[in-house]
Amino acid sequence: SQKIEQNSEALNIQEGKTATLTCNYTNYSPAYLQWYRQDPGRGPVFLLLIRENEKEKRKERLKVTFDTTLKQSLFHITASQPADSATYLCALHNQAGTALIFGKGTTLSVSS
Amino acid sequence: NAGVTQTPKFQVLKTGQSMTLQCAQDMNHEYMSWYRQDPGMGLRLIHYSVGAGITDQGEVPNGYNVSRSTTEDFPLRLLSAAPSQTSVYFCASRQGFNYGYTFGSGTRLTVV
Repeated sequence: SQKIEQNSEALNIQEGKTATLTCNYTNYSPAYLQWYRQDPGRGPVFLLLIRENEKEKRKERLKVTFDTTLKQSLFHITASQPADSATYLCALHNQAGTALIFGKGTTLSVSS
Repeated sequence: NAGVTQTPKFQVLKTGQSMTLQCAQDMNHEYMSWYRQDPGMGLRLIHYSVGAGITDQGEVPNGYNVSRSTTEDFPLRLLSAAPSQTSVYFCASRQGFNYGYTFGSGTRLTVV
């Protein structure tokens, strides 16, 4: 079965810097990959979906890359703000495409 | 447009009791899933459905049943609650294969 690893459990950065989160996967080649944000006590919120034929996708201050050779996605938040502090989850679909499997997440803390 | 509604928000059960966690969505989404979230374990898939009358098991299905008699509703049944089922449960739905999930606000379940 597929395995998803988000390398860091926690990432601390200063306001204004770029945060970079990593998601690695093994055992198969997904057609797309998704990123979510989760705040304490709340359900995850969908941020971005990137397809296997898209190398990069942007949404406001967010940028996601998808390297199918390295089996890796990078999630960047530029000009980070304290309000960006949250847990960020990477997710891949199962091989049948019928459900999503999530990584354990990286908790980002942005200090002012 | 309420999105995904989960009830109850909190529940305490005694070991051996049964209960049903309710999930309803008003977006006419075909795909629905149930996850549990535990500290250090991330979101783990319990059961999922790709349409009314169609369900399948995820990573951790033991001790749980689901049914999908309508597009809108996807209840999760705990057959005989155990302390190991203490967790936060999230229901999610999405429009199709290439779409992100919309999550409910979760049910925090404690089994004593």
